[in-house]
Amino acid sequence: SQQGEEDPQALSIQEGENATMNCSYKTSINNLQWYRQNSGRGLVHLILIRSNEREKHSGRLRVTLDTSKKSSSLLITASRAADTASYFCATESGSNYQLIWGAGTKLIIKP
Amino acid sequence: DGGITQSPKYLFRKEGQNVTLSCEQNLNHDAMYWYRQDPGQGLRLIYYSQIVNDFQKGDIAEGYSVSREKKESFPLTVTSAQKNPTAFYLCASSGVGTFDGYTFGSGTRLTVV
Repeated sequence: SQQGEEDPQALSIQEGENATMNCSYKTSINNLQWYRQNSGRGLVHLILIRSNEREKHSGRLRVTLDTSKKSSSLLITASRAADTASYFCATESGSNYQLIWGAGTKLIIKP
Repeated sequence: DGGITQSPKYLFRKEGQNVTLSCEQNLNHDAMYWYRQDPGQGLRLIYYSQIVNDFQKGDIAEGYSVSREKKESFPLTVTSAQKNPTAFYLCASSGVGTFDGYTFGSGTRLTVV
């Protein structure tokens, strides 16, 4: 089942600029997570934000969560060429630790 | 180092053949998952297992089978009943008591020839 929708589907920015991706979901959640996938590789867990948190930081990443709007955003500051990847949000709602995934945002950082 | 190992990285299947994709983890995770990813798409759940000797169908289980005889291992068999098996297959695992997200393998790209 697909719960999340990322927006935009694709984003191309200059190196050094900030990149913002959004994720919307439909049902109440326990937590929301962001993952990165480099082309042809597995996904890497970036950050998890719980339903009672509003903002979380990890290095150049900033995630916000608005449960009233059922939406989250991922901000990558001072982007680098190595940030070029697809970014997925995933939500966990039940008690069985299953994640429901969005279709991803493809981010391209131009040098 | 702890992690998940998927093998092989590339796999070619002839029409009508069954093939098995390997997934092994040494993270002591209870739960393991198999996903299928098609080009430009998100992840679709094939099967998952939260405990040894037990597994559940995901959204697209038809044409696939799994086993969970050991905690460390969760192999996926793509059977001849799967009519469109060409895809990228990802295995993941997670702890159950403390949930910190999934750890993924590096994937197996399966192509029908």
